[in-house]
Amino acid sequence: QKEVEQDPGPLSVPEGAIVSLNCTYSNSAFQYFMWYRQYSRKGPELLMYTYSSGNKEDGRFTAQVDKSSKYISLFIRDSQPSDSATYLCAMVMRLEYSNYQLIWGAGTKLIIKP
Amino acid sequence: DTEVTQTPKHLVMGMTNKKSLKCEQHMGHRAMYWYKQKAKKPPELMFVYSYEKLSINESVPSRFSPECPNSSLLNLHLHALQPEDSALYLCASSQGADRVSYEQYFGPGTRLTVT
Repeated sequence: QKEVEQDPGPLSVPEGAIVSLNCTYSNSAFQYFMWYRQYSRKGPELLMYTYSSGNKEDGRFTAQVDKSSKYISLFIRDSQPSDSATYLCAMVMRLEYSNYQLIWGAGTKLIIKP
Repeated sequence: DTEVTQTPKHLVMGMTNKKSLKCEQHMGHRAMYWYKQKAKKPPELMFVYSYEKLSINESVPSRFSPECPNSSLLNLHLHALQPEDSALYLCASSQGADRVSYEQYFGPGTRLTVT
């Protein structure tokens, strides 16, 4: 079993729909939960991250963490064609000497149809 | 300014060539990273520099040689690569050991093709 599971998709939804992207994880040592967006042939872009269970909102994006279920979600409201990209979740584990390691999900390819 | 720059954008090299990838950041970050990303896969960590010292080497073959000349620059020297090394090479940076280091900012990557 992988430490982080993420459905690679593709996930195709019409413009304006609410999108739900999810990851599950198995390691209770993960401390931070990140969401990156990656456009084709570009580097990943940090969207948002959370530390504790609950919701965090930033514009049209909401990140949700449920530590008891080891489940995280990213919701996108009023989706736009420009949101079409691969969304990667990454779990953060603290190593020694304040080094942090990211454990990545496979990434979900999202397609927003006009 | 949360920009990490990488040069070149594209690189084609033969298996006997020697080339270098460059990464630069001016955010005052003290940790810098090299990742390798194959198509439809997440990034794989290769090296971590913390305060200009190599702190993590994820068992990367010696044909990849990192170098951190100063706190703003990171190089990756390439020699005798194999076709399977063709990938997108990403550089990232974060605050550093005395600050939270999980916020990693990525550059656009260098797309490397080994022929």
